[in-house]
Amino acid sequence: TQLLEQSPQFLSIQEGENLTVYCNSSSVFSSLQWYRQEPGEGPVLLVTVVTGGEVKKLKRLTFQFGDARKDSSLHITAAQPGDTGLYLCAGAPPTGTASKLTFGTGTRLQVTL
Amino acid sequence: GAGVSQSPSNKVTEKGKDVELRCDPISGHTALYWYRQSLGQGLEFLIYFQGNSAPDKSGLPSDRFSAERTGGSVSTLTIQRTQQEDSAVYLCASSEGTGAFPGNTIYFGEGSWLTVV
Repeated sequence: TQLLEQSPQFLSIQEGENLTVYCNSSSVFSSLQWYRQEPGEGPVLLVTVVTGGEVKKLKRLTFQFGDARKDSSLHITAAQPGDTGLYLCAGAPPTGTASKLTFGTGTRLQVTL
Repeated sequence: GAGVSQSPSNKVTEKGKDVELRCDPISGHTALYWYRQSLGQGLEFLIYFQGNSAPDKSGLPSDRFSAERTGGSVSTLTIQRTQQEDSAVYLCASSEGTGAFPGNTIYFGEGSWLTVV
């Protein structure tokens, strides 16, 4: 069974601060995705990383896939209240159905003024 | 419709009753997924449909859970003899296919919040 552990579970910061969320596993994934979920809504895809060591940037968000494709990180620069939400990583298996994702435990971020 | 549509959005039921949750995927999407999310937690895979292939039921937690997909479109998730531990948000998602990412994006509905009392 593939498991994805995220840390921290909760994070409360002030506007303008930087933060990093980690997603770790002992299993290898063919790709890894990051989602953000707001209350009462379904998760929305932010990014997909595929290659070990890959770094992708989405405005103030930087995503990195570990060299061994077992872990990932999400770094937010100068956080804003609009970044508030539940951040989920999700890994795709190296074999079998590519889109049968394993989701992480989630990191709840709150950004205050 | 423009997105994945789920109904009901909220359902309160008595322990022991059966419930049905409906999902209408994005038009043209051949793959459909059901996930369960306990309060503020990550998503737990339940079942997956792809076209006319046999569904992947490996995530269903017990035989009280079943799902069907009629005509390759609408899906219904049925929970029989509900228990309090079934209380969760049930999320449906769809995608164009099942190919590897990043070419295949999964779109989620807003979920059906089930409370068993």
